[in-house]
Amino acid sequence: DADVTQTPRNRITKTGKRIMLECSQTKGHDRMYWYRQDPGLGLRLIYYSFDVKDINKGEISDGYSVSRQAQAKFSLSLESAIPNQTALYFCATSDCGRLGQGLGCGYTFGSGTRLTVV
Amino acid sequence: AQSVTQPDIHITVSEGASLELRCNYSYGATPYLFWYVQSPGQGLQLLLKYFSGDTLVQGIKGFEAEFKRSQSSFNLRKPSVHWSDAAEYFCAVGGGTSYGKLTFGQGTILTVHP
Repeated sequence: DADVTQTPRNRITKTGKRIMLECSQTKGHDRMYWYRQDPGLGLRLIYYSFDVKDINKGEISDGYSVSRQAQAKFSLSLESAIPNQTALYFCATSDCGRLGQGLGCGYTFGSGTRLTVV
Repeated sequence: AQSVTQPDIHITVSEGASLELRCNYSYGATPYLFWYVQSPGQGLQLLLKYFSGDTLVQGIKGFEAEFKRSQSSFNLRKPSVHWSDAAEYFCAVGGGTSYGKLTFGQGTILTVHP
């Protein structure tokens, strides 16, 4: 099984619909992130979380919400999807950023969810 | 605020030629630096990372990168490119501060001619 699992892999939805993208991990990492990838823009951070009680907006959070249901689960919702939210979405986990951590920290990415809003 | 700039949107090289992809970063503390590769339709694969120590780091697939603090750069190099290296390459900075947010550059698309 993959360390970071995203579901669904592909989704086509209509404008105005609510959609949830799910992410689960077996890495045991505290930190989880949602990114979206657009051609020519790289990956941009939508939301990030330290634990179930700690949710933070990234650089492009408008139109999105998240839920950290457990340490291992971090879901991204589009309350009312619009066409310019068509993108490739990545979930990631990390053990980087801890005080006093060693040099072995890293990031693990899911395989991505390709979302098309029509 | 942390940021990454990859000045080259698209680079074309011939197979067997050398390659250098540029990356410049802005970060308020000691940076953790990464290079990822993404083949068409695929996810992200880590090529190499720099945390501290030797400024020349070796990665997978014959890639290396050099951290130059004075130039705020972390350029990726490969002495001889293979057709299978055609992909999009992302430089990223982050990790050292709280939350470990990772910020990506815009990406460089590499085309390899036979």
